Amino acid sequence: AQSVTQLGSHVSVSEGALVLLRCNYSSSVPPYLFWYVQYPNQGLQLLLKYTSAATLVKGINGFEAEFKKSETSFHLTKPSAHMSDAAEYFCAVSTYNNDMRFGAGTRLTVKP
Amino acid sequence: DGGITQSPKYLFRKEGQNVTLSCEQNLNHDAMYWYRQDPGQGLRLIYYSQIVNDFQKGDIAEGYSVSREKKESFPLTVTSAQKNPTAFYLCASGQSYNSPLHFGNGTRLTVT
Repeated sequence: AQSVTQLGSHVSVSEGALVLLRCNYSSSVPPYLFWYVQYPNQGLQLLLKYTSAATLVKGINGFEAEFKKSETSFHLTKPSAHMSDAAEYFCAVSTYNNDMRFGAGTRLTVKP
Repeated sequence: DGGITQSPKYLFRKEGQNVTLSCEQNLNHDAMYWYRQDPGQGLRLIYYSQIVNDFQKGDIAEGYSVSREKKESFPLTVTSAQKNPTAFYLCASGQSYNSPLHFGNGTRLTVT
């Protein structure tokens, strides 16, 4: 089955600094890739998705991600971190089998 | 408003008892999913269903059972065979393999 690996279980940045959350995927068929955000004791909310159109995908709240097939990566970035960005972020991969799988998550801390 | 409802939010059971977690959606989605979330392990797929009266095992199906008798409902039973059932359980639904999932707010199960 397909899988994702998120590098770094915790990332800490200062407010206003660049956010970079890393995700690498493994899939034997063309993948569909997603980033979700989770706030404490809640479900997950979609940030953005890649479904084989443009390789640079823009999402909500200023986040974007770039699909790089040669590197099997789908890293999430935001130019300037805000305190409200503090949350846990999950990368996910799905295929035509309709079985979405998630990474272990990265907890983002934003320091004032 | 359309969405996914999981109930109850918190559930406590004694070891050796079966317990059923409820998940209902009114989004008219074909596919539904159950994930288990543990700290540091992300979301792990328990079962998923692509259509009524059909479901597939995910990565950690042992000790769990599901049914899909109606499109709107996908209950999960945690049986006494599940060795470590205390966790946060998330239900989700989706329209197709390249669509994002919509999540409920989860049920936190504690077994003592």
